[in-house]
Amino acid sequence: RKEVEQDPGPFNVPEGATVAFNCTYSNSASQSFFWYRQDCRKEPKLLMSVYSSGNEDGRFTAQLNRASQYISLLIRDSKLSDSATYLCVVKDNFNKFYFGSGTKLNVKP
Amino acid sequence: DGGITQSPKYLFRKEGQNVTLSCEQNLNHDAMYWYRQDPGQGLRLIYYSQIVNDFQKGDIAEGYSVSREKKESFPLTVTSAQKNPTAFYLCATRDLAGGRYEQFFGPGTRLTVL
Repeated sequence: RKEVEQDPGPFNVPEGATVAFNCTYSNSASQSFFWYRQDCRKEPKLLMSVYSSGNEDGRFTAQLNRASQYISLLIRDSKLSDSATYLCVVKDNFNKFYFGSGTKLNVKP
Repeated sequence: DGGITQSPKYLFRKEGQNVTLSCEQNLNHDAMYWYRQDPGQGLRLIYYSQIVNDFQKGDIAEGYSVSREKKESFPLTVTSAQKNPTAFYLCATRDLAGGRYEQFFGPGTRLTVL
């Protein structure tokens, strides 16, 4: 079983739509959680950390459900520039990080 | 200009040759990591280091070697023992003392074995 699992998509949505991604993780002792964005043939870049109480950054909202071991990312009012692959990342209680295979988002005009 | 540099950006190698990928950082971060990414897959950990002169194997260390002689540098050697080395290689760093947990990535090196 993979440590972190994501729906690979692609999610094809029109501009202005709201889209949600989910991610599940297997290690209940995981400590820290993140969403990264990766553009085609580029390195991943941190989008946001995910806190237990949930957190929001502009159009982006992240939620963590420790009991069910899943993380979500909600993007409101999608822009063309949001088109990318979104990686769910989980850090264990040592210093290792586990990456999902990513969810591809295509925002269409 | 602060950050993480990886060189070269593209690298071509003949089968049977060893090759070394460079990763340098001036962020003063303690931890450094090497990952491999294959098309449509997540990043997989090759090696990581939390302190100079010490490093640990990741999930796919076979056929790779590293050194950490300086805090700023964490080169990765892809040896001829690595069966399928063509991939996108990413170096990352993390500040262990700063109270933050996220990693930062360099721009990556695309290795192609001919």
